[in-house]
Amino acid sequence: QQQVKQSPQSLIVQKGGISIINCAYENTAFDYFPWYQQFPGKGPALLIAIRPDVSEKKEGRFTISFNKSAKQFSLHIMDSQPGDSATYFCAASGTGANNLFFGTGTRLTVIP
Amino acid sequence: DSGVTQTPKHLITATGQRVTLRCSPRSGDLSVYWYQQSLDQGLQFLIQYYNGEERAKGNILERFSAQQFPDLHSELNLSSLELGDSALYFCASSVVAGLAGDTQYFGPGTRLTVL
Repeated sequence: QQQVKQSPQSLIVQKGGISIINCAYENTAFDYFPWYQQFPGKGPALLIAIRPDVSEKKEGRFTISFNKSAKQFSLHIMDSQPGDSATYFCAASGTGANNLFFGTGTRLTVIP
Repeated sequence: DSGVTQTPKHLITATGQRVTLRCSPRSGDLSVYWYQQSLDQGLQFLIQYYNGEERAKGNILERFSAQQFPDLHSELNLSSLELGDSALYFCASSVVAGLAGDTQYFGPGTRLTVL
């Protein structure tokens, strides 16, 4: 059973556009929601993360929006660049057992 | 570079064989996690060690085992290999354990191919 559901599976965006990736979870014990970026041949790297006590977190061009009541969170990439082309994974974990449950990934392609 | 090292980078072996994957965590990190990434299952947590002790277990098969040594490096042992075990195996490390929000840093992975 997939603990974190992610969509879309793939996304093509024009340079300068906004990329939006959505995730949903069921386990209310989750209290940490990171996003990881993975380039081909590399391991996932932490991009940005949020806790459920805030509804939004912004770091540069990357923003996480969090809706606790809907149990959903999303990643927005503003002014998308070709260098952002990668696979993005949302994840979740809970205190006491901080192993990550990953979404299925979104392959983002930013067209110049 | 995350500071987590994994060897070997690639491993090709036959069904029924046994292999060992090695991971060295970032300096100062006490917790090591193993994940499997495959096309059909995505990124799945296998097992976590903290300061030499098993801390959490995920979807790890009985044919697989792991350990963390006193110098904190970890090994993942895969035995009686099947075609379906072909995947990328990632090691990640973090400073502590049991604290959500403790960033996990991933190594470059070991690509296992079972023929």
